[in-house]
Amino acid sequence: GENVEQHPSTLSVQEGDSAVIKCTYSDSASNYFPWYKQELGKRPQLIIDIRSNVGEKKDQRIAVTLNKTAKHFSLHITETQPEDSAVYFCAAGTSGGATNKLIFGTGTLLAVQP
Amino acid sequence: DAGVTQSPTHLIKTRGQQVTLRCSPKSGHDTVSWYQQALGQGPQFIFQYYEEEERQRGNFPDRFSGHQFPNYSSELNVNALLLGDSALYLCASSSPVWSRGTQYFGPGTRLLVL
Repeated sequence: GENVEQHPSTLSVQEGDSAVIKCTYSDSASNYFPWYKQELGKRPQLIIDIRSNVGEKKDQRIAVTLNKTAKHFSLHITETQPEDSAVYFCAAGTSGGATNKLIFGTGTLLAVQP
Repeated sequence: DAGVTQSPTHLIKTRGQQVTLRCSPKSGHDTVSWYQQALGQGPQFIFQYYEEEERQRGNFPDRFSGHQFPNYSSELNVNALLLGDSALYLCASSSPVWSRGTQYFGPGTRLLVL
């Protein structure tokens, strides 16, 4: 069935270092890959997304890369700050079709040590 | 511009009872998706409503049902509650399915079943 695997489950970095979170999806029909940040007790917030017609997208300190052949996509955060500490979820879905349900990974708890 | 809103914020029920959760989508959005997020897990897709019809359903039993109203707001109903239904229930809204379909989440309803 449809599945998204996410690694690592926890990640601890020093302030200023980079953080990388990796995901693998199973459904070859997936063409939309958002990343959400969820702080404790709060809603998931979209931080960046990528569609299958591009291989990389950047937004300030955040970048996402996509390898459709390998069904891999990754989140890169540079110059990490303590406020980046949260749980990050990757997801895979389809957009432009009849529905756009998202299949989520299991999350990565990122801790940025000051 | 109001974002996605949900009510109530918290709810305590006992096994066997029924519950109704409510969601109002972001202004301009007409598609509503419901997700269940167990503690420490990623959100799991329950179902999606568009044009007042259930368009797609995840792997959830018939005890979970929903409705969408003409003003695009939505309800999630869960019958015969089980202890395992305790979770954060998230509603997400998106723009028409034939467009980019980015999903924005509400703050969630935290349900505890005793």
